[in-house]
Amino acid sequence: EAGVAQSPRYKIIEKRQSVAFWCNPISGHATLYWYQQILGQGPKLLIQFQNNGVVDDSQLPKDRFSAERLKGVDSTLKIQPAKLEDSAVYLCASRGSSSTSGKETQYFGPGTRLLVL
Amino acid sequence: GNSVTQMEGPVTLSEEAFLTINCTYTATGYPSLFWYVQYPGEGLQLLLKATKADDKGSNKGFEATYRKETTSFHLEKGSVQVSDSAVYFCALSTPGNQFYFGTGTSLTVIP
Repeated sequence: EAGVAQSPRYKIIEKRQSVAFWCNPISGHATLYWYQQILGQGPKLLIQFQNNGVVDDSQLPKDRFSAERLKGVDSTLKIQPAKLEDSAVYLCASRGSSSTSGKETQYFGPGTRLLVL
Repeated sequence: GNSVTQMEGPVTLSEEAFLTINCTYTATGYPSLFWYVQYPGEGLQLLLKATKADDKGSNKGFEATYRKETTSFHLEKGSVQVSDSAVYFCALSTPGNQFYFGTGTSLTVIP
C-alpha cells in the first residue's frame, strides 16, 4: 500500500516568514496527526484529526500554528510567522488498518525538515 | 497527565550482546504501549506494541512486556546485530488515540 506522503521534504525560511506543509494520508485512514520533532527529542503531538474534525489540538501554539483537513483527506499545517525555535522535523501520520495484518496502527510520513534562520 | 520516560543514550553494544532499553510511563486510564524505531535516513516505523497489562509485543527478535504494576515497557533483544543500529522511541496512546513519545534512545551496534 502507498504510504503517507509529505511535501516539501526540506524548507529553509527566515524568521517571521510563513510556511506551509502538506500531508496526504494513506487512503481510507480517518485519523491524521501532525507532530513536531525537535532535534534530539521525541515527536510531540500538535494536532489530531478524525476525518475533518479536530480531536485534540491542546499542544498546538495557536497564535502562530494552524492546520486544516477540509475534505477529511489531505491536510496542511501552517506556521505564520515562524520563529527560530520552530526549526524541527514536522511529521504527519495516519492511523488505520494495515492491509497486511488488518490491525489498526499508525503510519508515519518521511517528514518535512524546517530550518528557520 | 500522560508522559513517557525512557533511558537516555546513546547506547553502544557489540554484536550479539544483550539489549535492554528502559521505558516507564505515566497515564490516566489504560493506555496502549509501543516501541517505534527510526533507522538512519528513514521515517518512524512501528516495531511492536501491547494493548493491555501482561501482553508481550514482539517483532524481529525484540520483545517488550506491558507491566502495569511497575508502569514499564522495557525493550529487550537477546542478540543485537549491526543492522539494529537506530533510534528507538517508546510511546503510549490513550483510549482516544492521542500519542505521547519518549525522547528516544540511540543504539549503535559495533561488529
